[in-house]
Amino acid sequence: GESVGLHLPTLSVQEGDNSIINCAYSNSASDYFIWYKQESGKGPQFIIDIRSNMDKRQGQRVTVLLNKTVKHLSLQIAATQPGDSAVYFCAEMPGGSYIPTFGRGTSLIVHP
Amino acid sequence: GAVVSQHPSWVICKSGTSVKIECRSLDFQATTMFWYRQFPKQSLMLMATSNEGSKATYEQGVEKDKFLINHASLTLSTLTVTSAHPEDSSFYICSAREGRGHIDQPQHFGDGTRLSIL
Repeated sequence: GESVGLHLPTLSVQEGDNSIINCAYSNSASDYFIWYKQESGKGPQFIIDIRSNMDKRQGQRVTVLLNKTVKHLSLQIAATQPGDSAVYFCAEMPGGSYIPTFGRGTSLIVHP
Repeated sequence: GAVVSQHPSWVICKSGTSVKIECRSLDFQATTMFWYRQFPKQSLMLMATSNEGSKATYEQGVEKDKFLINHASLTLSTLTVTSAHPEDSSFYICSAREGRGHIDQPQHFGDGTRLSIL
């Protein structure tokens, strides 16, 4: 299930399940969105991006969905593995800017 | 893929010491580099944006005299925490983007520097 703690919301799933991590962005002028994965003690790692002229983009085991109407972004991870355990951040960039604004992050815990 | 190397990965030093952190883009030219600070279980907080050959742009509330940034080449930016104190202890992360005039590109991050001030 999903819970909101003092800082990071946490999503706990069983290995093999599909995971959905959600992100609400704030700026209606944002037209480029990125998902990053951050493992403990490391820097964020690029996973997938999407531009505002798309509503869905697929990568390897990951899919990003964009709903501009409600300013919502989601990351779907298929067949989640223990190695997927990390903190996931969404980032939005307004048109004409190359400086992203990061969301608060979601901690994904995958139980074997 | 684009690789950003950050050094050192971990440093412990006494209060009052100045600490320099290096950020290098290994296989691309980074016209813009970014420095972030991250507290435990929190998101990344942008400290400053540095452009090669010009002064860094600091975010509101970040002391530019405390956090000196130099971006002297297209592959290297440094962050110096001057006269560090325990409250400066944190995880510092750099990132870089390549290309000019290409807005829709992700930043590539280093692996961060864990700074502990005693």
